[in-house]
Amino acid sequence: GAVVSQHPSWVICKSGTSVKIECRSLDFQATTMFWYRQFPKQSLMLMATSNEGSKATYEQGVEKDKFLINHASLTLSTLTVTSAHPEDSSFYICSARSVEAFFGQGTRLTVV
Amino acid sequence: ELKVEQNPLFLSMQEGKNYTIYCNYSTTSDRLYWYRQDPGKSLESLFVLLSNGAVKQEGRLMASLDTKARLSTLHITAAVHDLSATYFCAVDIWGADGLTFGKGTHLIIQP
Repeated sequence: GAVVSQHPSWVICKSGTSVKIECRSLDFQATTMFWYRQFPKQSLMLMATSNEGSKATYEQGVEKDKFLINHASLTLSTLTVTSAHPEDSSFYICSARSVEAFFGQGTRLTVV
Repeated sequence: ELKVEQNPLFLSMQEGKNYTIYCNYSTTSDRLYWYRQDPGKSLESLFVLLSNGAVKQEGRLMASLDTKARLSTLHITAAVHDLSATYFCAVDIWGADGLTFGKGTHLIIQP
């Protein structure tokens, strides 16, 4: 099946700093990618839809100025968590669709 | 608003037993997915169900879809410890953004 690669797999950062997470579709072109967040023992919640060449679409309650999404090419989307705080600590997972949806390996973000 | 209800949310069972996880959803869907998630890991795709009456099997797991009832099931046959994980169903609607996930079923299989 298609592969979606996400980096880094884990990151620890200091409060107030920014962190960038990359999501790549390795063997197909994705005009749309999705970013999810998962808190411990909870399900995945869609944060935003990343659209190649245009602005991302954010779900209600997700701060677009805090979670910056860039989808500059058909194979790469990035999520930057700006001015991170401990409450942003979570598991972030990206997804891309070809015929079906595929998920990256996830990024465990810990803000200290 | 699409709602996906999964039950049970927690299941502890013995090896060798059979059980079924249920996934109800509130509107017409184009695809229904079942995923497995191990602690600290991302999602592993198990099944993609596309049409009414679809049934897929892989090892001890079998998934089915009834689009009229808006119900999918994941059946576990003769469970083994290695199947312990959290299982999610997710619904995909054409034109919608992303998948809508159920809350997940945390499955523990005890020897």
